[in-house]
Amino acid sequence: DSGVTQTPKHLITATGQRVTLRCSPRSGDLSVYWYQQSLDQGLQFLIQYYNGEERAKGNILERFSAQQFPDLHSELNLSSLELGDSALYFCASSARTSGRVSGELFFGEGSRLTVL
Amino acid sequence: AQTVTQSQPEMSVQEAETVTLSCTYDTSESDYYLFWYKQPPSRQMILVIRQEAYKQQNATENRFSVNFQKAAKSFSLKISDSQLGDAAMYFCAYRSVNYGGSQGNLIFGKGTKLSVKP
Repeated sequence: DSGVTQTPKHLITATGQRVTLRCSPRSGDLSVYWYQQSLDQGLQFLIQYYNGEERAKGNILERFSAQQFPDLHSELNLSSLELGDSALYFCASSARTSGRVSGELFFGEGSRLTVL
Repeated sequence: AQTVTQSQPEMSVQEAETVTLSCTYDTSESDYYLFWYKQPPSRQMILVIRQEAYKQQNATENRFSVNFQKAAKSFSLKISDSQLGDAAMYFCAYRSVNYGGSQGNLIFGKGTKLSVKP
């Protein structure tokens, strides 16, 4: 158990719909990262938050948005869904020590989104 | 921008044998982390081993070890005494060390699918 919690684990929806994926980082971790893994693909970085602020953006579509709340949980909102958005969405968190990145990212189990 | 390349889409090894997975990366930075993550059929991302670029000694975790060649920008993973449970997708990943900035995401290679034959 990595300590990172993601809900829901599975989600099936239709094209054009909007969904929200939720992530609770490990206790004490301030950084949250979102990744997308399409079928048989590697992991693509979407966006990073640190203590409530957006810190880095990757290949995130304009239809997607995210935020991190004061309690440090994060939500990834996916709207106007298309078939190609079907993927496994991972959330990860990391600690930070004295300005130096502490090392590995700890991953949740992912949210599998299926768009029909 | 940093890139990570895994040139072996698939590898196969006999149970109890040794296999090496290759990874190369490109960066202009001198301080960074390198990782190998394992993704079994359950799709969970599991950290296998970590290497800090400023450490010359190769990291080792039980049956897993790396060959880190900083000048060549190479970071291979050796799995000794392979077990059936080692069958998984293996991802090599790079992470900048950032002092007070805003980066720090992992950059992944495309992965190597490892099969273990009994």
